[in-house]
Amino acid sequence: EPEVTQTPSHQVTQMGQEVILRCVPISNHLYFYWYRQILGQKVEFLVSFYNNEISEKSEIFDDQFSVERPDGSNFTLKIRSTKLEDSAMYFCASSPTSRGEAFFGQGTRLTVV
Amino acid sequence: KQEVTQIPAALSVPEGENLVLNCSFTDSAIYNLQWFRQDPGKGLTSLLLIQSSQREQTSGRLNASLDKSSGRSTLYIAASQPGDSATYLCAVRQGDQGGKLIFGQGTELSVKP
Repeated sequence: EPEVTQTPSHQVTQMGQEVILRCVPISNHLYFYWYRQILGQKVEFLVSFYNNEISEKSEIFDDQFSVERPDGSNFTLKIRSTKLEDSAMYFCASSPTSRGEAFFGQGTRLTVV
Repeated sequence: KQEVTQIPAALSVPEGENLVLNCSFTDSAIYNLQWFRQDPGKGLTSLLLIQSSQREQTSGRLNASLDKSSGRSTLYIAASQPGDSATYLCAVRQGDQGGKLIFGQGTELSVKP
């Protein structure tokens, strides 16, 4: 069964460092998303991406964040200068359409120290 | 602004019981609602997607209902098993072009043998 894969599963970084979280969405899906979940809190939407551009972003997704689809398979989230409050589980998701079923990856646990 | 609430926050039942998890949302202008399962420290597994035009959707021992006008959905689990222990999340998809999901905080289910 097709699945969304994320790497790494866990990343520890020092405050102020740049991190890149990687995702391989399901191959025939067209919509891609990043969400995050701070420990004990709700899953929060960060950004949606379609046709090689951002279609929507949340207030959380400020200038420190960027997304890219560098080739036909990968979808990345970059955080330029990490802060302690960026520590969270980051989930990538994909859907065949904007209203289709969303499939999530296993997440990357980011710890900023 | 859409708010999604899940009640109860936690539920503990003996094996074999039928149970109902509740999800409510404040804005009825949704395209669909999706139920997920989340095991500790893991990703989100899609259980059921129910479109706004549907009243219910079934998969195995799971049945999800949707009453869009009253802003409510329920997830019914029949004959619960210890393996059903997990956190169950509901999420609604609004009429935004990006198709983002807005999540509830989840119900943590524990099924005791």
